Amino acid sequence: KAGVTQTPRYLIKTRGQQVTLSCSPISGHRSVSWYQQTPGQGLQFLFEYFSETQRNKGNFPGRFSGRQFSNSRSEMNVSTLELGDSALYLCASRGGNNQPQHFGDGTRLSIL
Amino acid sequence: SQQGEEDPQALSIQEGENATMNCSYKTSINNLQWYRQNSGRGLVHLILIRSNEREKHSGRLRVTLDTSKKSSSLLITASRAADTASYFCARDSGGSNYKLTFGKGTLLTVNP
Repeated sequence: KAGVTQTPRYLIKTRGQQVTLSCSPISGHRSVSWYQQTPGQGLQFLFEYFSETQRNKGNFPGRFSGRQFSNSRSEMNVSTLELGDSALYLCASRGGNNQPQHFGDGTRLSIL
Repeated sequence: SQQGEEDPQALSIQEGENATMNCSYKTSINNLQWYRQNSGRGLVHLILIRSNEREKHSGRLRVTLDTSKKSSSLLITASRAADTASYFCARDSGGSNYKLTFGKGTLLTVNP
């Protein structure tokens, strides 16, 4: 089975721009979660989608949004980028309750 | 905020030695998961231990869980240089609002 695939791997943007990150979960997994990882704050939960519905959202401003498609692929969008949005963005999928999350290699976003 | 705390924050050992990392948490769990992260990469799932389990093994890894003390430990036996990575515990509190809450991690360095 192919793992979780995130694209692109690296992205450089400037302040004020917006960005869209993509995630393809493991085949058959309907739950997709997104996390932000920074040296200062560590790993923080952004949101979780299941069957195209956002089931949970972390403590992030409304500039951070996401969606999930009928094939379970997911995208997250960050608008009006700020320097503090520089981070590794990780996507993970899981197959059911009490199942582990499987992570992609992430998208490294750098804001200039 | 993060509710899992690993200690130590950093651990340096020689190849062949055992490494023990601890994790504490504050609220109830559905399960607790351990992950490894090599620099700049995604998280690799190691072991998931459910709240009704006390110990699990996987190869050279052994995880224990003490729900009365709200703590878990990860033991890596006969460590290798390739085990050098950051290790994270993550709490799954269950329910419909699914998310993993991560600790700050332990940076393990195994010297050849």
